Amino acid sequence: QSALTQPPSASGSPGQSVTISCTGTSSDVGGYKYVSWYQQHPGKAPKLMIYEVNKRPSGVPDRFSGSKSGNTASLTVSGLQAEDEADYYCSSYAGSNIHVFGTGTKVTVL
Amino acid sequence: QVQLVESGGGVVQPGKSLRLSCAASGFTFSNYGMHWVRQAPGKGLEWVAVIWFDGSNKQYGDPVKGRITISRDNSRSTLDLQMNSLRAEDTAVYYCVRGGAGTNVFDYWGQGILVTVSS
Repeated sequence: QSALTQPPSASGSPGQSVTISCTGTSSDVGGYKYVSWYQQHPGKAPKLMIYEVNKRPSGVPDRFSGSKSGNTASLTVSGLQAEDEADYYCSSYAGSNIHVFGTGTKVTVL
Repeated sequence: QVQLVESGGGVVQPGKSLRLSCAASGFTFSNYGMHWVRQAPGKGLEWVAVIWFDGSNKQYGDPVKGRITISRDNSRSTLDLQMNSLRAEDTAVYYCVRGGAGTNVFDYWGQGILVTVSS
């Protein structure tokens, strides 16, 4: 149950795009469609942004998109806005009812 | 609207026990798997445990296996986490989280409750 690997930080100017990677193994990210992404503002609970690799829950702006290739999933935030500044975590199902989170990425809007 | 409200946190000495509870409302509790996820101060998210919608299946993360028990009462729409032999590294905010229907996702989160293990 090793944590998925994310870059510690990412940044972009307002209106630009930022992409965050999430690297696992064939036993988690590469083996299942159950990759999800969560946004967490300081002092707040995480919020679901993307599930099943690329699906957006109702109410999440279409500026947020997800993809996966092999053992690496990615979250792209297009048209960056000030309120997108937050920590982002990926998560994957790892079989046998086990779940694993990524190490987290702090996104800064310059 | 979905609400998950945790209770039972606080300061506990190493080696002692603590029981967290989560009161769920705004959805049919017995239809959903439920999880506990924790976050140590200044650290990332860590999955702790899951219990199936009917309580028939449970699974635990490696760091807590053997020391923590997840349970639920569908008649009262409550989720519990019994934590024994607590260690300093169990200090964290514990979140009660709803699992998605028919998919593996954490779709609604409680506000979290702080557990501090310290002498």
